[in-house]
Amino acid sequence: GAGVSQTPSNKVTEKGKYVELRCDPISGHTALYWYRQSLGQGPEFLIYFQGTGAADDSGLPNDRFFAVRPEGSVSTLKIQRTERGDSAVYLCASSPDRSDIQYFGAGTRLSVL
Amino acid sequence: KNEVEQSPQNLTAQEGEFITINCSYSVGISALHWLQQHPGGGIVSLFMLSSGKKKHGRLIATINIQEKHSSLHITASHPRDSAVYICAVGSARQLTFGSGTQLTVLP
Repeated sequence: GAGVSQTPSNKVTEKGKYVELRCDPISGHTALYWYRQSLGQGPEFLIYFQGTGAADDSGLPNDRFFAVRPEGSVSTLKIQRTERGDSAVYLCASSPDRSDIQYFGAGTRLSVL
Repeated sequence: KNEVEQSPQNLTAQEGEFITINCSYSVGISALHWLQQHPGGGIVSLFMLSSGKKKHGRLIATINIQEKHSSLHITASHPRDSAVYICAVGSARQLTFGSGTQLTVLP
């Protein structure tokens, strides 16, 4: 497709489980961003990749959260030992090189029961 | 104080009304974004501004860099404009988001 694709669109898991959320950016976009949006709030920055490397991971809330982008395209956000407070919509965006424009995916709604 | 503040938080309008949503920020930025979010979470980028004014259809966005303020205007509003409108500021590395304005346009 032409846009940023996120899978799954919805994920329900139990407290303590491990989850992986996937983001397929727009082809050729070098920058990739993960955001988290809790109910009733604006999105919050988690991590930014330029190519394969995490250029800024200052938004990751703790060491249960980890993200990879091994080939510089698809990225996976990994959450270990999920907690109910992790329930949110996780948004991914990508951007062409040297551009401020970010193109957003539809998000993955994570519900931790 | 939040770095990005939007007003109003909620706005209800009648179809056809002219709508203004405001955004003030306190940090230095290279660009300001206006985003639209419909129920279900998907975000669509409406505008990216670094100065002046942009227009797309019935939507107009302005920014005053000196005053650190931006406005999003919707002319001849329509019920399909109902959504959350989010202001975001920052650089290519990171965006800081406002909490959004929930707009409801009644027929």
